[in-house]
Amino acid sequence: NAGVMQNPRHLVRRRGQEARLRCSPMKGHSHVYWYRQLPEEGLKFMVYLQKENIIDESGMPKERFSAEFPKEGPSILRIQQVVRGDSAAYFCASSPQANTGELFFGEGSRLTVL
Amino acid sequence: KQEVTQIPAALSVPEGENLVLNCSFTDSAIYNLQWFRQDPGKGLTSLLLIQSSQREQTSGRLNASLDKSSGRSTLYIAASQPGDSATYLCAVPPNYGQNFVFGPGTRLSVLP
Repeated sequence: NAGVMQNPRHLVRRRGQEARLRCSPMKGHSHVYWYRQLPEEGLKFMVYLQKENIIDESGMPKERFSAEFPKEGPSILRIQQVVRGDSAAYFCASSPQANTGELFFGEGSRLTVL
Repeated sequence: KQEVTQIPAALSVPEGENLVLNCSFTDSAIYNLQWFRQDPGKGLTSLLLIQSSQREQTSGRLNASLDKSSGRSTLYIAASQPGDSATYLCAVPPNYGQNFVFGPGTRLSVLP
């Protein structure tokens, strides 16, 4: 049973380009969470999704950021027109249940904006 | 609104010491509490999950306790080793909100 898979592990983009980060949850998990972590800082919640639905996007910037979790395929975090401030590690976590399940994290995707 | 704090923020100990990391939460109506470890440049690794009905959970040299009524959990690490050096975080699942709440973490350094 593979763990939470994130790719790419490292991504370099120039300002103004788009970044797409993918997350495949653990088998049987339908709840996906995205977090951002700046260097030397804690985890910041971005968005929580269930299959085909965004449940809570209160931590996600209103502009340039979007997330989806389609019926088939991985969850995608999309950042349009990246800026240097978007440089961070983006972590995905999955859980079998919303409130009572254990949370499992991927290794993260490290975005560097030049 | 649930808030989670961790004390101390950083801890440096010589190898072999037993140590305790603390996690406090403001809303005691939790389903469970989870402890994680994060190594530099890596993701979070789940260490222990304590259900609300449990008082303790053990894995190897790690022991986590939970006291819901006082809003506290402790992670006890026995006979610490340099390989235990990492940041340790605790987290509780949502009660009314939708996302897990994380503590800021305790950065542990075990010196050889």
